[in-house]
Amino acid sequence: EADIYQTPRYLVIGTGKKITLECSQTMGHDKMYWYQQDPGMELHLIHYSYGVNSTEKGDLSSESTVSRIRTEHFPLTLESARPSHTSQYLCASSRGGGEKNEQFFGPGTRLTVL
Amino acid sequence: GEDVEQSLFLSVREGDSSVINCTYTDSSSTYLYWYKQEPGAGLQLLTYIFSNMDMKQDQRLTVLLNKKDKHLSLRIADTQTGDSAIYFCAESTLGGTYKYIFGTGTRLKVLA
Repeated sequence: EADIYQTPRYLVIGTGKKITLECSQTMGHDKMYWYQQDPGMELHLIHYSYGVNSTEKGDLSSESTVSRIRTEHFPLTLESARPSHTSQYLCASSRGGGEKNEQFFGPGTRLTVL
Repeated sequence: GEDVEQSLFLSVREGDSSVINCTYTDSSSTYLYWYKQEPGAGLQLLTYIFSNMDMKQDQRLTVLLNKKDKHLSLRIADTQTGDSAIYFCAESTLGGTYKYIFGTGTRLKVLA
């Protein structure tokens, strides 16, 4: 079944640790996105990719980095986590163009940095 | 720059109709969307409307688009407790960046 997955769903970690949030989609979508969302608040685009080896920073400045070595995989890395990184991180993908240009969202990773 | 605004909260009684409003600034928007987010989950597309349409109906959902005023609304008929969630409107433009601009979200609470 075509879907978009994020792991872990929940992560509690200490300050200074390096973490990687995983995102994978099985729909063959070229476009992938990372959003940061405080609980119940608006979404902020922090990274996006239009295909393999293509990554761009989003509208909200973020200390995280991303990579896109395979079409289906778009991991996000924080080299040194801080309490200010505590938030929910949502990954999304889209085919781009065509009918309705829908973005499909993963379930999110809720990150808490102590 | 582009902006999408929504009211933050809406409370309705079960069985009543809910109307969630959204205003946007980008006149070049091609698609306008309504997404639903339940607690602890990602966003799920509810419905969308192409910019050359005025209205779209899909079961209990009715979307109205006023291009002149750049106003989008979502009406939920016979609102149920399961409709309690945050509703985001969003716009995108075909071609170019394929990025979405999301609204601030409206938290709908349905009272039994």
